[in-house]
Amino acid sequence: AQTVTQSQPEMSVQEAETVTLSCTYDTSENNYYLFWYKQPPSRQMILVIRQEAYKQQNATENRFSVNFQKAAKSFSLKISDSQLGDTAMYFCAFMTGTGNQFYFGTGTSLTVIP
Amino acid sequence: DVKVTQSSRYLVKRTGEKVFLECVQDMDHENMFWYRQDPGLGLRLIYFSYDVKMKEKGDIPEGYSVSREKKERFSLILESASTNQTSMYLCATLRDGRSIGQYFGPGTRLTVT
Repeated sequence: AQTVTQSQPEMSVQEAETVTLSCTYDTSENNYYLFWYKQPPSRQMILVIRQEAYKQQNATENRFSVNFQKAAKSFSLKISDSQLGDTAMYFCAFMTGTGNQFYFGTGTSLTVIP
Repeated sequence: DVKVTQSSRYLVKRTGEKVFLECVQDMDHENMFWYRQDPGLGLRLIYFSYDVKMKEKGDIPEGYSVSREKKERFSLILESASTNQTSMYLCATLRDGRSIGQYFGPGTRLTVT
């Protein structure tokens, strides 16, 4: 079975600063996908960024980027120029290549301080 | 854009009641999921369905059942609600063969008293 671990239950960052959220996973699969989801307070969970395991290049979406280390099974999320709207719970997730299994971490609660 | 809706944002039920949570999607996604979300535990999969009338147990199916009579609708049923089923329930969809991840509904916060 796959596992996803987020070891930082809570984090905070000053507005405009950079913060990195950690995620590690365990799998014996070679083909899989990794995701970061954002869940703002009392709002819907949305996809922030995704990474295909077969791609070496790290994914980037505007101020969000990942550091994907396949050998180390690490998938961290970097948020640059943090904004108040980035305050949310962030979940790291793993999906098998066939798309029939999804696993989530326990989440990191990020607070952006003005 | 895919839209996933859930029948209620907040629900309060009494112990022993039968509870129905409904999820409806407006895109033609084959796969639908029910999760419960609890602080410190993340999202845990209750059931998922990969086709009409098909269902598979997730990690925590005890005390729950599901129904998928139509492709766009996936219902979660609590046969006899208990206080330990107080939680946030999230529905999600996924299109076959797509790697872009799941789409989530807004969630239903269920309180069982």
